[in-house]
Amino acid sequence: AQSVTQLGSHVSVSEGALVLLRCNYSSSVPPYLFWYVQYPNQGLQLLLKYTSAATLVKGINGFEAEFKKSETSFHLTKPSAHMSDAAEYFCAVKLSNTGKLIFGQGTTLQVKP
Amino acid sequence: ETGVTQSPTHLIKTRGQQVTLRCSSQSGHNTVSWYQQALGQGPQFIFQYYREEENGRGNFPPRFSGLQFPNYSSELNVNALELDDSALYLCASSLGREGQETQYFGPGTRLLVL
Repeated sequence: AQSVTQLGSHVSVSEGALVLLRCNYSSSVPPYLFWYVQYPNQGLQLLLKYTSAATLVKGINGFEAEFKKSETSFHLTKPSAHMSDAAEYFCAVKLSNTGKLIFGQGTTLQVKP
Repeated sequence: ETGVTQSPTHLIKTRGQQVTLRCSSQSGHNTVSWYQQALGQGPQFIFQYYREEENGRGNFPPRFSGLQFPNYSSELNVNALELDDSALYLCASSLGREGQETQYFGPGTRLLVL
């Protein structure tokens, strides 16, 4: 069965510091991987997705993620945090033959001034 | 803005009642998926509709049902509401049902069951 684990339910960084949000997946076949962001009282916005074209994926707002098959990971990074990055971040996996997104529990990112 | 709209934005119901939530897909999208997001949790897949037919269902009881219309808008119906049904309900539209297709989410409907 497919699953997603996000390590760390809360991550706190200072403004300007590196952001690293961890995501590990479990899948018997190569999956498609997604990162979404959710601001308070809003829906989910796509940050980036991996579809096997390239292992390093660049997304919006300066975020990027690297697919590492050997580690079954798809960690999200941003070199320099901004106050506006404070939100809930979700990693999700989807198989090629299904439309179902399987989400992790989410990581709340706090950015301190 | 994803172009996906949902109504109503908020809703309060009592146990045992029935509720209908609505979703308007992004222009050109023929697939809609519904998710339930309980407080502090990630979204859970309820079901997906592709060209008016159900195309997969998550671990939700039959009292959760849906429809997709010829214009690809959609409804989620929940009968016999329970307290645990209180959640944010999200719909997402996509261009197709294949795995690599991005799902674009609406703002959600927050349902409170008393």
